[in-house]
Parts: sequence; structure tokens; C-alpha cells
Amino acid sequence: KAGVTQTPRYLIKTRGQQVTLSCSPISGHRSVSWYQQTPGQGLQFLFEYFSETQRNKGNFPGRFSGRQFSNSRSEMNVSTLELGDSALYLCASSLWTSGNEQYFGPGTRLTVT
Amino acid sequence: DAKTTQPPSMDCAEGRAANLPCNHSTISGNEYVYWYRQIHSQGPQYIIHGLKNNETNEMASLIITEDRKSSTLILPHATLRDTAVYYCIVRVGSGGSNYKLTFGKGTLLTVNP
Repeated sequence: KAGVTQTPRYLIKTRGQQVTLSCSPISGHRSVSWYQQTPGQGLQFLFEYFSETQRNKGNFPGRFSGRQFSNSRSEMNVSTLELGDSALYLCASSLWTSGNEQYFGPGTRLTVT
Repeated sequence: DAKTTQPPSMDCAEGRAANLPCNHSTISGNEYVYWYRQIHSQGPQYIIHGLKNNETNEMASLIITEDRKSSTLILPHATLRDTAVYYCIVRVGSGGSNYKLTFGKGTLLTVNP
């Protein structure tokens, strides 16, 4: 069974631009969560989607948003990029909401210049 | 979610057992103990979880004290590929209404040849 895939793997953007990241969960998994990882703050939860509905949200500004499609694939969008948004963005999938076993993708490395 | 305390780093000789401690003195009765690890530049990997009984799978064993205030992750025969940051997380189990994985700084385990 294929693992969690994320595209693109690397991205360079300029301040003020917006970006969309994509995550395809493991086949059959219906929950997708997004995390941001930076050297200073570590791994921080962004939000979780289950059955196309946002189920939980972390403490991030409204510039960070996401959505989930009927096939469970998910996208996250960051608008008006800031230098501090440079990070590794990870998504994780699980069978059900709040799943015990979260399977993480390799991440998208976003650099904002 | 309860807070966890882990040593920042540990060393282990290849082939020996690695015992990684975690303190979670404020854990609630419905909170599970989860362990994940993150190998450099990869997404976190689920290892094991438990509520009160000791658990074992193909990767590791989890020993939880009777009062549930601490636990130990045991890698029975550590290899060089086990070098990673290990995260101990406490959280309500699957289906909980306030889902997120809260990652601390974890323990950097270095397995030496």
C-alpha cells in the first residue's frame, strides 16, 4: 500500500505570495492532519480534516487554511507569505478522526525569501 | 493534553537495548501514551501506544508504571538506523473530541557502532 504523498517536496516563494500544498493520504484513510515544523518551534499542529470537515484547529493565523476533497486528498493554503512561514509542512493520515496511528508524509520544504 | 518530560539526548551502543524514559505526572485517566520518532529529514513515524498495560509490537515495547506517571520505550536491539528524535506524547485516544498530537522537543537517541 502506498504511503502518504506530499507535493511539491520543495518550494521557494517570495514574501506576500500565496502557496498551496497537497497531501494524498494512504488509501482508505479518511483523516488528514497538517503540521508545521521549524527549528525554533518544533512540530506544531495546524488542523485536521475528516470527511471534508475541519475537526480541529491549532493556534495559527487565518492566513493558514485547508480543505479536504471527497477522495480524502487535502490541500493547505498559506496566503500573504511571511519569512517566518519558512518551514517543513507535514501531513499525516489515519483511518478515522483522532486516529491512534498517524502516518506522516515526507513533508514539503517551503522557503520564503 | 498532559505535558511530558524527556531527556534531551541519550546514547546507546549498537545491539544493546535502548531505554527511553518519559515523565507524564499530570496524565489523565483517559489519556494514552504515544511514541513517535523522527529520523533526520523525514516525517515522524508511529511506534507504539498504550493506556495502562505494557505493550509490545515488532518495533518496540512500552512499559507504563502502575501510577501511569511515567513510561519507558524499549528498543530491544538498537541499530544505527534507530538514531532519531523520539517523541513521547500523551493524548486522549482514538475518537477523542479534541484531537491533536502535541510534540515536545523529544529525545535525540544516538546509536553508536
